[in-house]
Amino acid sequence: QVQLVESGGGVVQPGRSLRLSCAASGFTFSSYAMHWVRQAPGKGLEWEAVISYDGSNKYYADSVKGRFTISRDNSKNMLYLQMNSLRAEDTAVYYCARARRDKVTLTMIYIWGQGTLVTVSS
Amino acid sequence: QLVLTQSPSASASLGASVKLTCTLSSGHSSDAIAWHQQQPEKGPRYLMKLNSDGSHRKGDGIPDRFSGSSSGAERYLTISSLQSEDEADYYCQTWGTGTWVFGGGTKLTVL
Repeated sequence: QVQLVESGGGVVQPGRSLRLSCAASGFTFSSYAMHWVRQAPGKGLEWEAVISYDGSNKYYADSVKGRFTISRDNSKNMLYLQMNSLRAEDTAVYYCARARRDKVTLTMIYIWGQGTLVTVSS
Repeated sequence: QLVLTQSPSASASLGASVKLTCTLSSGHSSDAIAWHQQQPEKGPRYLMKLNSDGSHRKGDGIPDRFSGSSSGAERYLTISSLQSEDEADYYCQTWGTGTWVFGGGTKLTVL
């Protein structure tokens, strides 16, 4: 059974850092590009970052470029999002998601996790 | 610029059909998209990939009631024989070099 389980969310003060994790199971993690997508309260989905299956390519949305870093550990089937200089507008549920096709980064999002809530507030 | 436009809301009666629309921005009328469903208080779920010629490939376990079609820059999601559990937000999504884009979503109400 394919599964993505996010963790690491919580309440954090503006300007501080937080690292999210995503544990993958049920598929060959090292063969798939992985994404982070967020959803602010009451708002729509917003793509944030993607990392290729081997970690060699990373792309970011302008809203997080320079502040957030996506990474992966294929030996542990884990995806990460390091979030620095957090702002109130980063408050959202953060979803980990898998690409549809193996070894291809430029493809659609196919599998979703259940999300973890990050609240940036003083 | 790659943009997807969706109507904010739609409604239809239980047992009826509804057609949701996603419009690709200028210059992207040949692009494929994906449709995703998000039921209340849940994570999103992939429904299907939809190509510019209307061919589509659904995800595992997606009922036959869900289908897709295309016309020019417009991509459609049709849900027939509406059920209460179809009340959800529906998002279209596409991708370009180094960017992935979601439409604003359509909130479907089943009356």
